[in-house]
Amino acid sequence: GQNIDQPTEMTATEGAIVQINCTYQTSGFNGLFWYQQHAGEAPTFLSYNVLDGLEEKGRFSSFLSRSKGYSYLLLKELQMKDSASYLCAVRDSNYQLIWGAGTKLIIKP
Amino acid sequence: IAGITQAPTSQILAAGRRMTLRCTQDMRHNAMYWYRQDLGLGLRLIHYSNTAGTTGKGEVPDGYSVSRANTDDFPLTLASAVPSQTSVYFCASSEGGSYNEQFFGPGTRLTVL
Repeated sequence: GQNIDQPTEMTATEGAIVQINCTYQTSGFNGLFWYQQHAGEAPTFLSYNVLDGLEEKGRFSSFLSRSKGYSYLLLKELQMKDSASYLCAVRDSNYQLIWGAGTKLIIKP
Repeated sequence: IAGITQAPTSQILAAGRRMTLRCTQDMRHNAMYWYRQDLGLGLRLIHYSNTAGTTGKGEVPDGYSVSRANTDDFPLTLASAVPSQTSVYFCASSEGGSYNEQFFGPGTRLTVL
């Protein structure tokens, strides 16, 4: 079967750095997405990786290792507004997105 | 304002009733999707449409139907609602199918009693 694993919840301190991991086992791989979802709102796109390596976008970076079936989202200089759920999704061989359950990130002052 | 709208925002429905969730986008995206999101589970694809006039089944299509008569609209119908269909439903769209990022509507919170 297809599976995306992420930690259920993480806590971090304002101003710090946090890394959210995602491991996947899917039928084929055609890219990995990270989305942010604030409570009661819709998911919004953060990043996309299809080749191994690090993609940096401001305070957010995303890393991919296809051989290990592994990705992480790195958030720097954490702000209170970063409190949200972070969703990992993999595009499979049918070009459909398979979603993880999300990681709820709690930021403390 | 460009984007995706969904209606209603929330709905309480008696089991056995028919219900249509509406979704409209004005970004001229070819592909549209319906997901349900349940606590502790990832988003699950119900149905999708790669272009107007075509639809396909996702991971959890049973009990749901869709139509895509034009580019902008993608309604989701529950023919006879059951309590297990209580969920938050998100409509999404993307340009050029799943090759690109998906944009999500605000969601519809549906409770079936």
